[in-house]
Formats: sequence, C-alpha cells, structure tokens
Amino acid sequence: KNEVEQSPQNLTAQEGEFITINCSYSVGISALHWLQQHPGGGIVSLFMLSSGKKKHGRLIATINIQEKHSSLHITASHPRDSAVYICAVLPNFGNEKLTFGTGTRLTIIP
Amino acid sequence: DGGITQSPKYLFRKEGQNVTLSCEQNLNHDAMYWYRQDPGQGLRLIYYSQIVNDFQKGDIAEGYSVSREKKESFPLTVTSAQKNPTAFYLCASSMLGSGANVLTFGAGSRLTVL
Repeated sequence: KNEVEQSPQNLTAQEGEFITINCSYSVGISALHWLQQHPGGGIVSLFMLSSGKKKHGRLIATINIQEKHSSLHITASHPRDSAVYICAVLPNFGNEKLTFGTGTRLTIIP
Repeated sequence: DGGITQSPKYLFRKEGQNVTLSCEQNLNHDAMYWYRQDPGQGLRLIYYSQIVNDFQKGDIAEGYSVSREKKESFPLTVTSAQKNPTAFYLCASSMLGSGANVLTFGAGSRLTVL
C-alpha cells in the first residue's frame, strides 16, 4: 500500500463545475504539498500546508492532520485547469524527502 | 528570472551508453533532487544533495550517479547499468529547513532508450 493515496485517479468535468481531489496518507507528516503537472511535464508547486486551509485564486487546499487527509478544491473550473494534480507529503522523521502520490488527472471540458 | 533549467528536454540513447542530464538552478537553494517519473507511479527519488560535494542515495539509485561540485549544478548520469532507463526525469530544489517549502521543479528531461 502506498504511503500516499489520491482519489480519484481520473476526473472529467464540465467547465464551471466545483472540483475536489483527495489525498490520504499513512505517516505522520510535517507538511503536505499540492503540485500541478501540465502536459509538457513541468511541475508547479501550488500549496504547502501544515494545518488548516489555504486559498489562492480559485484554488483552495485543506488539511486535517488528525484524519491524515487533505483536499484540493477548484471553484468555477476552466479548461486551463486540465492537468495532473499531485499530492506529496514530508514525513516528520528524517531529512527533507518527499513521498508522492500517483496523481489525479483532471480534464475540464468546455 | 530565477528557476531551474534542465537539459536536454528530449534525449535518445542506445543500449550500453551512458548519458548525462543537466540541472542548473539560480535560486541559491541548498538542496537539489533528482526524481524519476513512470506512467501510473508517483515520483521516485533517485539522489539528493543538501550541500556541495555531498549527496545521498534515494530510493532507486542503482544505475545512476550524480555530482555536486557547485551549489548551482546537480547533473545526473544514467549509466548502462540502469536496466530500464526510459522515463521522465525531474530535477527539483528547495531551501533547507523550510519543510521543503519554496519547492521548485525543472521542466523535465524525457529519456528514451532505443
């Protein structure tokens, strides 16, 4: 079993829909990252969370440390949001090495 | 503009050849990382370095080698000992002590073995 599980693996939605991507992890962490990977392959860091909630534009990320769960929400989704969204956790032991989920492929249809 | 530059973007290799992927950053980041990405799998750590002239093996270091002679540069060599080298390779960097905050990735290098 992977230490980081994402769901769903694939998600297709209509433009304008509210999107939720989930991430569950099994180890104690000091931080969780949400990353975005576009078809060209480059990865952009969206959020780093250690507690609570963060918002940037139409993106909202929440984390529940007790439940070992995080969600990424996209409001008023747009075709340009189509990408792979990756959750990565930083375990609270050892050095700064991230463990990655396998990603959620999001497709927004106009 | 600050960032990470990876080159080449695409690379083809014959079996038995070594190839070197370049990673350069001008962010003054202490830590640099090399990851491998395969379809359906999460990124896996190959090697990482937190200081010049020092580096550690990640989870899948066999068949790879690195050097860190300068803070800005962390090249990865895929040797002929790597049995399945066809993959997408990503370089990243971060500030130490920041919880891997300020995490920055390069655009990636796609290696195909013919």
